[in-house]
Amino acid sequence: EDQVTQSPEALRLQEGESSSLNCSYTVSGLRGLFWYRQDPGKGPEFLFTLYSAGEEKEKERLKATLTKKESFLHITAPKPEDSATYLCAVPGSNTGKLIFGQGTTLQVKP
Amino acid sequence: GAGVSQSPRYKVAKRGQDVALRCDPISGHVSLFWYQQALGQGPEFLTYFQNEAQLDKSGLPSDRFFAERPEGSVSTLKIQRTQQEDSAVYLCASSFRGGMNTEAFFGQGTRLTVV
Repeated sequence: EDQVTQSPEALRLQEGESSSLNCSYTVSGLRGLFWYRQDPGKGPEFLFTLYSAGEEKEKERLKATLTKKESFLHITAPKPEDSATYLCAVPGSNTGKLIFGQGTTLQVKP
Repeated sequence: GAGVSQSPRYKVAKRGQDVALRCDPISGHVSLFWYQQALGQGPEFLTYFQNEAQLDKSGLPSDRFFAERPEGSVSTLKIQRTQQEDSAVYLCASSFRGGMNTEAFFGQGTRLTVV
């Protein structure tokens, strides 16, 4: 069964304290892994797409990496404005429709 | 428009009432998606349009849910005889490319509360 699991569910960091968020997936034949950021009361905002193991993408303080079983979103020296829920998603094996994880809610304290 | 626009932002419906939620995608975007998001959960797929064709509606929870995109632009999600379990945020997303595994741009959502 296709599944996406994110950990931890919640993460509290001090400003400047680097950390990583995990997204584990089980699908047959990965056709992309998507990371989104969602602020309270808003829709998800697209961050990255990764397609193959070993691929990395960066945007400001965020770096996404991909292996055959999981993806990491590394946050370097986070700032309070990085506080949000981070969602990952993969296309389902048979249908291609995106399956989202439950998200990791990040809080960065000044 | 600059982004995906959804209306209304908030909707309170009495149980049994019909509701219609509107989505204006980014101009020229071929793909349009509807998702349902419960509190504290990730979005769950409802349906997918490529232009005016509804190619996948497997995520619609029941036959009370109906979506259309008659001219390949604006889309409407209609829920008939609303129930309390329909309370959620309904998100619309659009993408320039066809296919379901594409990066999509989301609207702010419509929060539906059924009382």
